[in-house]
Amino acid sequence: DAGITQSPRHKVTETGTPVTLRCHQTENHRYMYWYRQDPGHGLRLIHYSYGVKDTDKGEVSDGYSVSRSKTEDFLLTLESATSSQTSVYFCAISADMGEENIQYFGAGTRLSVL
Amino acid sequence: QKEVEQNSGPLSVPEGAIASLNCTYSDRVSQSFFWYRQYSGKSPELIMSIYSNGDKEDGRFTAQLNKASQYVSLLIRDSQPSDSATYLCAVNIGTYKYIFGTGTRLKVLA
Repeated sequence: DAGITQSPRHKVTETGTPVTLRCHQTENHRYMYWYRQDPGHGLRLIHYSYGVKDTDKGEVSDGYSVSRSKTEDFLLTLESATSSQTSVYFCAISADMGEENIQYFGAGTRLSVL
Repeated sequence: QKEVEQNSGPLSVPEGAIASLNCTYSDRVSQSFFWYRQYSGKSPELIMSIYSNGDKEDGRFTAQLNKASQYVSLLIRDSQPSDSATYLCAVNIGTYKYIFGTGTRLKVLA
């Protein structure tokens, strides 16, 4: 699992409530990512981070914010959850393997917004 | 819009056969290509990466890349029921940025 821990693994919440998902890594990787995965859409990038306090938007960032105050933690926040944000959320890191950089994924968080 | 296209399947092959999974991409400057396997309810796990035109073999898996045709494929020899999963193609589109296809579901029939 490349030292990536996501929490919680499952969450059910109600529309309009705030939700924070946590990604923790133990191997000091600079790049961290949040994706969502939905049937028919594959993995879509929400936000990514290239260092402490350095983040950027992905293709589906509306309704989401992120923070990275420590190298090891990357938080994804849904300020006011909507049913369209029901999805499986994956955190990933990019690891440098010699001349290659390769993404590895956490176990995922299944979020249901009712 | 940079895209990665895969046939969603399912692709059904008998046990012991060769499974061939295909992927096309739109970004001509892409240099790195990846195949991930994802079992139902699990996270994607890396199978192969390929950077140069031609074939790259790892055990029963062979990745093939043709940059001129913007095409990358994955061959699985001696397919086993345990290979039944969704296979995701991913392309590096810039510094530490990647896009993924929607995946091809493979079913290996015992």
